Amino acid sequence: KNEVEQSPQNLTAQEGEFITINCSYSVGISALHWLQQHPGGGIVSLFMLSSGKKKHGRLIATINIQEKHSSLHITASHPRDSAVYICAAIFNYGGSQGNLIFGKGTKLSVKP
Amino acid sequence: GAVVSQHPSRVICKSGTSVKIECRSLDFQATTMFWYRQFPKQSLMLMATSNEGSKATYEQGVEKDKFLINHASLTLSTLTVTSAHPEDSSFYICSASRIWDFGNEQFFGPGTRLTVL
Repeated sequence: KNEVEQSPQNLTAQEGEFITINCSYSVGISALHWLQQHPGGGIVSLFMLSSGKKKHGRLIATINIQEKHSSLHITASHPRDSAVYICAAIFNYGGSQGNLIFGKGTKLSVKP
Repeated sequence: GAVVSQHPSRVICKSGTSVKIECRSLDFQATTMFWYRQFPKQSLMLMATSNEGSKATYEQGVEKDKFLINHASLTLSTLTVTSAHPEDSSFYICSASRIWDFGNEQFFGPGTRLTVL
């Protein structure tokens, strides 16, 4: 069964702290998304990666294919980073190219 | 990055009526569009996958006669919730897929919040 697990489920941080959100998956994937969902519900795709590391501003995403694990890091966190962060994987099963399996999300709250 | 729009962003309707939600890829042609549903405090769940010019593929448990999907062009897909009931109240999100070197990258619309009274 294709599964995506995220941890922690909830995370509270003080402004300026370094934040890590973890994602693990059960079997081989072709790519993995990190998504950000704001309280209004809208979703923004932060990263799509299939190997290595990507960086955009204060956000860094890494993936280790052998360990079936990805992390999202936020440096110098800010209250505006408060959102739900969702990991979603594209699994290597036939006939479902592009279908995402979503983690349950990590609710991040950054306090000033 | 690529932009996907949804319309309307919010809709309130009476039980028994039908509601149409549009999903458009604004600056690229989408090979595939996906429709997701999200209930409060739950993860997104894939409802159906649609390719331009062909019938949508529905996930198990999703009624194709209730959730009609039309993918008329490479930039437009519509989801019609027919004879809506309060239990259909949810957040509906579409995404549009574009092929890149190593697979399909999905771009998400802002979502449509449906409330059925």
